[in-house]
Amino acid sequence: AQSVAQPEDQVNVAEGNPLTVKCTYSVSGNPYLFWYVQYPNRGLQFLLKYITGDNLVKGSYGFEAEFNKSQTSFHLKKPSALVSDSALYFCAVRDTNAGKSTFGDGTTLTVKP
Amino acid sequence: DAGVIQSPRHEVTEMGQEVTLRCKPISGHDYLFWYRQTMMRGLELLIYFNNNVPIDDSGMPEDRFSAKMPNASFSTLKIQPSEPRDSAVYFCASSFRGEKLFFGSGTQLSVL
Repeated sequence: AQSVAQPEDQVNVAEGNPLTVKCTYSVSGNPYLFWYVQYPNRGLQFLLKYITGDNLVKGSYGFEAEFNKSQTSFHLKKPSALVSDSALYFCAVRDTNAGKSTFGDGTTLTVKP
Repeated sequence: DAGVIQSPRHEVTEMGQEVTLRCKPISGHDYLFWYRQTMMRGLELLIYFNNNVPIDDSGMPEDRFSAKMPNASFSTLKIQPSEPRDSAVYFCASSFRGEKLFFGSGTQLSVL
């Protein structure tokens, strides 16, 4: 079985400050991990993924995520937030032996000017 | 590539009517997923296909829901009869080898 937890429903940060959106996961095998972003009235868009290799993954729009195997976490980060980063963010995990990804409940990020 | 194409963009229907949602995945992708998104339940996986074959339909709410993928470039999700609680945004997504998903813009379904 595979599962994802996003412990925060909402994250608020000021523009220019660093942001972190948390994600922890559980899989029986090796994980594939993903972050997606959803803007209002749009489908989800891929941000970045971890498959193997370097624990720090860089993605679109200046986002990055750090894979931590011992803590089973894959937190999304950005050094300096923009107002335009305000959106709904989803973490997802897929066991390497599974065909489907499991999504978290989503975290609403609000960046205030 | 135009991405994943879903139609219609919006659908308003009355309870008891049949609803058919359509999806064209990205060419070359071998996985297709149908999701439903609501405020109360979040993003739910309804069913997914691999090479046009349904693999897991455990998320389909009940027998009123059915999905088909007659070929690699087309899939449908049908609700018959529809009920107000089916109101949601339905997303189709496709991927290659089950990795990153490409989502369509969704169908906003309202059942009155």
